[in-house]
Amino acid sequence: AQRVTQPEKLLSVFKGAPVELKCNYSYSGSPELFWYVQYSRQRLQLLLRHISRESIKGFTADLNKGETSFHLKKPFAQEEDSAMYYCALWRAQKLVFGQGTRLTINP
Amino acid sequence: NAGVTQTPKFQVLKTGQSMTLQCAQDMNHEYMSWYRQDPGMGLRLIHYSVGAGITDQGEVPNGYNVSRSTTEDFPLRLLSAAPSQTSVYFCASRGGQGNYGYTFGSGTRLTVV
Repeated sequence: AQRVTQPEKLLSVFKGAPVELKCNYSYSGSPELFWYVQYSRQRLQLLLRHISRESIKGFTADLNKGETSFHLKKPFAQEEDSAMYYCALWRAQKLVFGQGTRLTINP
Repeated sequence: NAGVTQTPKFQVLKTGQSMTLQCAQDMNHEYMSWYRQDPGMGLRLIHYSVGAGITDQGEVPNGYNVSRSTTEDFPLRLLSAAPSQTSVYFCASRGGQGNYGYTFGSGTRLTVV
C-alpha cells in the first residue's frame, strides 16, 4: 500500500528560526511527491512538487529515496508561514495525503 | 478560467436527507477527485475519476455516489445523510500533462444534524 506519514501533528517555531516539516512515504516505485499548504479556512494550494526542484516562498524539499523522505525546509520562518501543511503522493491515478502538520510561527 | 468551482459553500442537512455537492472545472482536466477533510484525519479520498464515464472508489466511499458524464462536472451525492458525514468536502482536478498536481476547489462545509 502507498502511504504518506507526517509524524508531527503540531510544530511551533519562533520567527527567524529554521523550519523542517517531515514527510515519509511508503512506495515501491518512483514516487511523485508534492507539498500542499492550507491557510486558515482556505483551499489547498500547491506549494512544491519534487520534479520541479523549485523554491516557493523560501521553502524547498528534497526527495531522499534511500530514506523514503520528502521533508520540507525553510531556513528562516516568517509569521505568514503559519498554516496547515500536507505531504502527498501521486500513484495509480490517485493523490494520497498525509495527516498534515499544523505549523505555528511565534513572533 | 475559473479553475475548480464547488457549490454550495455551506450546507446543513437533517439526518436521512439526500443532496448533491456540485463540482465543475474549466481546465479540460482528465483527473478529478473528491476528498473529505476532518480534524486529525487529513484528507481522505472518497471517489475519483480518470475521465468522462470512468469512476472508482477511494478510501472512504460508503454513503456517497459519483458520476462523470462530462469532462467538466463531477458531482458527489450523499444518499442518506448521517452525522458522521459532517465534514469539509474538497473537489480537485488534474490534467494529464504538465504534472502540476491537483487544483482544489474552495470546499463545501457540510453539517448533518
